Amino acid sequence: AQKITQTQPGMFVQEKEAVTLDCTYDTSDQSYGLFWYKQPSSGEMIFLIYQGSYDEQNATEGRYSLNFQKARKSANLVISASQLGDSAMYFCAMRVRKGGATNKLIFGTGTLLAVQP
Amino acid sequence: DTAVSQTPKYLVTQMGNDKSIKCEQNLGHDTMYWYKQDSKKFLKIMFSYNNKELIINETVPNRFSPKSPDKAHLNLHINSLELGDSAVYFCASSPQIAGVVTQYFGPGTRLTVL
Repeated sequence: AQKITQTQPGMFVQEKEAVTLDCTYDTSDQSYGLFWYKQPSSGEMIFLIYQGSYDEQNATEGRYSLNFQKARKSANLVISASQLGDSAMYFCAMRVRKGGATNKLIFGTGTLLAVQP
Repeated sequence: DTAVSQTPKYLVTQMGNDKSIKCEQNLGHDTMYWYKQDSKKFLKIMFSYNNKELIINETVPNRFSPKSPDKAHLNLHINSLELGDSAVYFCASSPQIAGVVTQYFGPGTRLTVL
């Protein structure tokens, strides 16, 4: 069964420190994609970063990097130099194919990150 | 300009009523989606349309009927609203390409059924 697991319901981090949010996945597909989205208290879903299953290098986008360990089926999000504005719910998601070029995302349960001054 | 927009942002209604949520994207994407986020923040796909054609229907009750008048719009109509329909509904879109297919979400519509 295809599944995303986020084991950390909530986390604290001090401002300016780095933090790792865990995500493990389960799929039998050879081709898949992994995403991280941020949902601040205002409610919108903001795309952060993507990692394809065939990508050999870890994805990076500014202060966000994805620690992709394929053998362990993990795709952890690393946020460097945390800022107060990083306080939000973070969702890991996996793209699974559902016929042709149409994809659907399955989501983990999310991790609520609180950045402390 | 907003890439994926939804109206209304908030919707409060009584049980048994019928309501619609509208979604529009100006990204030129071929594929659009509806997701439901429940009170525990869990997100689950409901529907997907590709070029106005229904591709995914994730065992959603028949009271929910999506309609795509063109590939830039995907509306969600809900009949006979129930308390359990209270949730945040997100519209999303993605390009019809293989490989990197990021889905871009709208701001969400918070539906409260009293």
